[in-house]
Amino acid sequence: EDQVTQSPEALRLQEGESSSLNCSYTVSGLRGLFWYRQDPGKGPEFLFTLYSAGEEKEKERLKATLTKKESFLHITAPKPEDSATYLCAVLNTNAGKSTFGDGTTLTVKP
Amino acid sequence: GAGVSQTPSNKVTEKGKYVELRCDPISGHTALYWYRQSLGQGPEFLIYFQGTGAADDSGLPNDRFFAVRPEGSVSTLKIQRTERGDSAVYLCASSSRGADTQYFGPGTRLTVL
Repeated sequence: EDQVTQSPEALRLQEGESSSLNCSYTVSGLRGLFWYRQDPGKGPEFLFTLYSAGEEKEKERLKATLTKKESFLHITAPKPEDSATYLCAVLNTNAGKSTFGDGTTLTVKP
Repeated sequence: GAGVSQTPSNKVTEKGKYVELRCDPISGHTALYWYRQSLGQGPEFLIYFQGTGAADDSGLPNDRFFAVRPEGSVSTLKIQRTERGDSAVYLCASSSRGADTQYFGPGTRLTVL
């Protein structure tokens, strides 16, 4: 059974204080790993797809990286508007469904 | 263009009642997914359609849950004899043919009293 574990559950940062969120996964065959951002009361918003170990994707202050066992979402010089829950999900090569972690809730204080 | 839409945004019902939740996917998207999200948890897979047929319904918790997509576009999730434990946000997502990325709607918050 595919599993995704995200850590920490919650992270509080000062504006400008860089940090990383972790997503550890076990999957029989990885088709893709996805990062989403979710604001309260809204659906997940797509950020990145990573397909193979060593791959990196960047968008503004966010950078996602992938190894064979985990993915990191690096946040550089965060701003208060980056406050949200960040979700990680894996897609198995043998299935159309995604398995999600429980997310990391990021709070950035001004 | 328009994203995934879901109606209603909120639904309050009484235990034992029947409810229908609707999802309009992004135009042209062939795959449609239903997930359930409880407070503080990630989305939990329910069912996945490719076109009109259910390609994988392994996440439906029991036979009270059923979903249809008769014309390969709009989908309806149907829950019979609702229970308090069914209370959650029901999310719908769609993806285009051959693509892996799923785009989510805003969800329907279901409350069973």
